[in-house]
Amino acid sequence: GAVVSQHPSWVICKSGTSVKIECRSLDFQATTMFWYRQFPKQSLMLMATSNEGSKATYEQGVEKDKFLINHASLTLSTLTVTSAHPEDSSFYICSATGLAGGQGTQYFGPGTRLLVL
Amino acid sequence: AQSVTQLGSHVSVSEGALVLLRCNYSSSVPPYLFWYVQYPNQGLQLLLKYTSAATLVKGINGFEAEFKKSETSFHLTKPSAHMSDAAEYFCAVSRTSGSARQLTFGSGTQLTVLP
Repeated sequence: GAVVSQHPSWVICKSGTSVKIECRSLDFQATTMFWYRQFPKQSLMLMATSNEGSKATYEQGVEKDKFLINHASLTLSTLTVTSAHPEDSSFYICSATGLAGGQGTQYFGPGTRLLVL
Repeated sequence: AQSVTQLGSHVSVSEGALVLLRCNYSSSVPPYLFWYVQYPNQGLQLLLKYTSAATLVKGINGFEAEFKKSETSFHLTKPSAHMSDAAEYFCAVSRTSGSARQLTFGSGTQLTVLP
């Protein structure tokens, strides 16, 4: 149980284009989903927290207009990187917490590697 | 504020040897603590978690961790390392932010298992 998927697993795009990444909880309802960014050899950096049906809460320093997050249902959240630039190249990971997630246990997706040329 | 510190960014052990990955926490309230493992180019997998029940927590793949309040530690151990244990390990503490519980991660420890 507690499986989270991400799609695509990797994407290459041209500078200036937008890229959408999907995060799905496959066998539980995710009341809260999180988006992280991870640079090589570094820990995870929380970008934003999203609750189903409400606006995402972004961490300080994360541009909400550049990283659009939508959590339209209890099983799906999307991250759209708008007008991508090479510096946006990174490994993006989502996680989800279910209804019984009062302890804060997060279940992670496999990640999406983005390369902006 | 809750935080975790992982001592040692790289740990190398021989196959069959004891694995000890260190994590110390700082928390003003009883913490929820987690260990996650990350294999190359993958997401994080939950190894185990402490949620104020038993202080010795057993996880998957033969790993366990002991919560020691007096030492503010939650070190991860495994009696006998296997080659497949080579990965990045993250300690994390849960904190409340608004209505959500967020995780604060340590900087990670890269475990290398030598044949």
